[in-house]
Amino acid sequence: GEDVEQSLFLSVREGDSSVINCTYTDSSSTYLYWYKQEPGAGLQLLTYIFSNMDMKQDQRLTVLLNKKDKHLSLRIADTQTGDSAIYFCALGGHGQNFVFGPGTRLSVLP
Amino acid sequence: EAGVTQFPSHSVIEKGQTVTLRCDPISGHDNLYWYRRVMGKEIKFLLHFVKESKQDESGMPNNRFLAERTGGTYSTLKVQPAELEDSGVYFCASSPVRGFETQYFGPGTRLLVL
Repeated sequence: GEDVEQSLFLSVREGDSSVINCTYTDSSSTYLYWYKQEPGAGLQLLTYIFSNMDMKQDQRLTVLLNKKDKHLSLRIADTQTGDSAIYFCALGGHGQNFVFGPGTRLSVLP
Repeated sequence: EAGVTQFPSHSVIEKGQTVTLRCDPISGHDNLYWYRRVMGKEIKFLLHFVKESKQDESGMPNNRFLAERTGGTYSTLKVQPAELEDSGVYFCASSPVRGFETQYFGPGTRLLVL
């Protein structure tokens, strides 16, 4: 089955860029997603990328996909304290169940 | 448009008791999924409904878990009898048959089995 890995923790200073990485084993998924979970809240879709794309930018968020290396990353520019949360990468497609990584807990230091 | 809702938000029960979780998907979404995150580990797939039919229940851990979706609207997930290792957060998600290729998640039900 699919195996998705993420670093568990990341700390950055407010105003710096954050880069959250995700690696996976099975490249058959159609879409790759980034979800954010704030304390006590549900999963919020941040952004997604279609598997035949290399990059997607959405305001402060940049998603990079390296299919050869099976590596997905999420870059958050000008990280703010409100960005502190757990970030999950997920792989899936239409009508398919999602496979999630373990989540990366991002801490933003003042 | 209302999002996916789940009830209750929290549940604390004793080992051996029964708990029923409810999920109301976004109106018109035929696909409904249950996931859970146990002890801070990965979010794991449990099962997938298309309307009232179980499309994939390969993630259900054992026969103590029973999911239903009568009428193809809301869904319930019953755990009977609950065990300590069932503690975690249970998420529900829904998606349309056609349209945007993602799943919309509810806030989750936090279950604690003592």
